[in-house]
Amino acid sequence: DGGITQSPKYLFRKEGQNVTLSCEQNLNHDAMYWYRQDPGQGLRLIYYSQIVNDFQKGDIAEGYSVSREKKESFPLTVTSAQKNPTAFYLCATADRGTGYEQYFGPGTRLTVT
Amino acid sequence: AQKITQTQPGMFVQEKEAVTLDCTYDTSDPSYGLFWYKQPSSGEMIFLIYQGSYDQQNATEGRYSLNFQKARKSANLVISASQLGDSAMYFCAMRRYGNQFYFGTGTSLTVIP
Repeated sequence: DGGITQSPKYLFRKEGQNVTLSCEQNLNHDAMYWYRQDPGQGLRLIYYSQIVNDFQKGDIAEGYSVSREKKESFPLTVTSAQKNPTAFYLCATADRGTGYEQYFGPGTRLTVT
Repeated sequence: AQKITQTQPGMFVQEKEAVTLDCTYDTSDPSYGLFWYKQPSSGEMIFLIYQGSYDQQNATEGRYSLNFQKARKSANLVISASQLGDSAMYFCAMRRYGNQFYFGTGTSLTVIP
């Protein structure tokens, strides 16, 4: 099946710990994105990558880090520097061209206590 | 600067009636894409409809249509014959050259039986 996998669906961590969220795709899309969504809010862009070994900061990159070593994978690390990490995290991919929509993974709900 | 504006935080519609969700956008690019997504309470993002900036006709997909008024920079979503399953958050998004997507803050739609 073609699609985007995010794991785990629910993640619980203690404050002060780094945590890595997984995002894997087999759609052969070049561009990958990470968004954060807080309850009742819209999507805010954390990082995006248009090609392997390259990525750009989005609007709220502080306290997060990413890597893009393979086309299929774009993991997001939430570091202890992120002040309010509890949120819903969505990974997305897109093909080239303005006419193509983003495809979204099922999301990971991270709770930090 | 806010590039996508959704001014209706919440909307109610009677079952089987039509409803319009508003979206305005801001860009000076000649080529761009406009999208609508639905997000049920499960959190998944479902692509609904796409409108290209050069498209002469309004996009339609089943019960969804996009009322595109380029001069006014508006891309309203019209849902006809509302169903209970249409209750969800709806997000308007724009894709610009460079693979960047911009999302509005969303509109929560509740369909009343």
